[in-house]
Amino acid sequence: NAGVMQNPRHLVRRRGQEARLRCSPMKGHSHVYWYRQLPEEGLKFMVYLQKENIIDESGMPKERFSAEFPKEGPSILRIQQVVRGDSAAYFCASSPQGAGRNGELFFGEGSRLTVL
Amino acid sequence: GDSVTQMEGPVTLSEEAFLTINCTYTATGYPSLFWYVQYPGEGLQLLLKATKADDKGSNKGFEATYRKETTSFHLEKGSVQVSDSAVYFCALSPGGSYIPTFGRGTSLIVHP
Repeated sequence: NAGVMQNPRHLVRRRGQEARLRCSPMKGHSHVYWYRQLPEEGLKFMVYLQKENIIDESGMPKERFSAEFPKEGPSILRIQQVVRGDSAAYFCASSPQGAGRNGELFFGEGSRLTVL
Repeated sequence: GDSVTQMEGPVTLSEEAFLTINCTYTATGYPSLFWYVQYPGEGLQLLLKATKADDKGSNKGFEATYRKETTSFHLEKGSVQVSDSAVYFCALSPGGSYIPTFGRGTSLIVHP
């Protein structure tokens, strides 16, 4: 049973370009979470999605960032007009239901974005 | 809001030493508590969990006890190995929302 698949693993962009990060959750999982990891800052929640719906995007910057989880295909985190401060590791996690009390999330290996 | 506070790292130990990584939390209600581990270049994976007060989670020689009175969930291991070198994250879910909240992570370095 394949785990959470993220691609690309590494992405280099110049300032002003767009970055698209993809996440395929584990089979049977319909809940996806995106987190950003910055050095010395730990994991910061960005957005929580179910199929075709954004449930909570309170951790995502209002500008330049967007996320989707279509009925078919992977979840995508999109960053427009990237800046150096966007350089980070972006992790996707999935769960079969909402995290709730069971709480366990299954993480991908992350996408490491470097903005030059 | 919910929060998780972990001791700052790095924690540097010799092989076979005793490990404690402190974790305290603030949350609405009675969350479940988790420890995740992240090996270099990888994503996080669940290490252990506890769902109610006084529960002890354990896995691979690691243990943590859910202490409601002190709002703590400290991670311990009696004898660490070089292969335990990783970053350890304490987390809670759910608290006031259904979004799992993570601490900043504590880096553990074990020397032979």
